[in-house]
Amino acid sequence: GENVEQHPSTLSVQEGDSAVIKCTYSDSASNYFPWYKQELGKRPQLIIDIRSNVGEKKDQRIAVTLNKTAKHFSLHITETQPEDSAVYFCAALSGGSYIPTFGRGTSLIVHP
Amino acid sequence: GAVVSQHPSRVICKSGTSVKIECRSLDFQATTMFWYRQFPKQSLMLMATSNEGSKATYEQGVEKDKFLINHASLTLSTLTVTSAHPEDSSFYICSASGGGASKNIQYFGAGTRLSVL
Repeated sequence: GENVEQHPSTLSVQEGDSAVIKCTYSDSASNYFPWYKQELGKRPQLIIDIRSNVGEKKDQRIAVTLNKTAKHFSLHITETQPEDSAVYFCAALSGGSYIPTFGRGTSLIVHP
Repeated sequence: GAVVSQHPSRVICKSGTSVKIECRSLDFQATTMFWYRQFPKQSLMLMATSNEGSKATYEQGVEKDKFLINHASLTLSTLTVTSAHPEDSSFYICSASGGGASKNIQYFGAGTRLSVL
């Protein structure tokens, strides 16, 4: 089955800095990669996703890149703000499956 | 976006009692619903996947007689924790996907924090 590794487990940055979270996956058949943000005690929310037919996707301060050859994808947050503080989960799904495999999560702390 | 409602948000119960958690898709028909358990500062652990009208598929290590899942309609799934014990205390989250072009996208409920005394 799929295995998703996520790093780092904790990331601490100053407000205004950039943050990068990296994930690797094992199943070359995986073709959909969502990122979820979970604030303390709240539900995970989809913030951005990418499909395997593109290499990069941006949405304002958030971007995701995908390297299919190396089987890794990354979340980039620029100009971080304290409200970006949360746990971020990456996930991978293959075309034939609707069940995501989640990474272990990254706790992002943005210091004002 | 799609909305998933989960109730109750918090439950405190005595050991040995059963607790039912409801998960509803409010504005779409959920082809598939998922139940997760989340321990503090850890990832989402998939417990089971359910499709409307069929038996749930449980992940390895999850006791199906302990965690009863019913997916009676395209908008409602329930998780019943039977004879709850303190070790069942956790944060339980459901999610739903709508199928078709959006089958890969999961919409999460707000979670239920279960505390068993």
